[in-house]
Amino acid sequence: SQKIEQNSEALNIQEGKTATLTCNYTNYSPAYLQWYRQDPGRGPVFLLLIRENEKEKRKERLKVTFDTTLKQSLFHITASQPADSATYLCALDIGGSQGNLIFGKGTKLSVKP
Amino acid sequence: GAVVSQHPSRVICKSGTSVKIECRSLDFQATTMFWYRQFPKQSLMLMATSNEGSKATYEQGVEKDKFLINHASLTLSTLTVTSAHPEDSSFYICSARDHLAATQYFGPGTRLLVL
Repeated sequence: SQKIEQNSEALNIQEGKTATLTCNYTNYSPAYLQWYRQDPGRGPVFLLLIRENEKEKRKERLKVTFDTTLKQSLFHITASQPADSATYLCALDIGGSQGNLIFGKGTKLSVKP
Repeated sequence: GAVVSQHPSRVICKSGTSVKIECRSLDFQATTMFWYRQFPKQSLMLMATSNEGSKATYEQGVEKDKFLINHASLTLSTLTVTSAHPEDSSFYICSARDHLAATQYFGPGTRLLVL
């Protein structure tokens, strides 16, 4: 069956450390993989998109890697801050004209001062 | 970035009534809009895909007669929950796909509580 898993339901780290979140999938061949941030009671906010032929993408303190052989993406936040505390969702874009996204359950990140 | 709005942000209604939720793309044209439902501590579940000027495509298990979707223009899609029941209480989120990009932009969500 097709699955997308974010390994940790919750991750607690100390301010200043690097947070690493994992997204694994099976039985998909995504054209893109996207990461979103969701705060409580709010809709997801787009952060980064990485294509199947890209290994790594960076944006400020964020870095995403995409390994289509391992079927895994890693999402890193360097020099983490309490304001980074939120739920982070990975989403697979499996292509097609509709552009449907398949979401993981998310990892709730808490950055302690 | 692109902005998508939803209205209302919260609604409480009695069982058996119908509720309409609006989703608007404010600064881009969205030929395709998506409606999701999210239960607490769960992932977003796609309910239906809405294409401007045509019928919506519903995901398996979603009743099209209960969740009416209308995408009348390139900037507006509406979801009507008909004859709402307490089990329909959830967080409903729309997204709009910029036809020039692969990114979906999400609305802020609508919290529905059916008493």
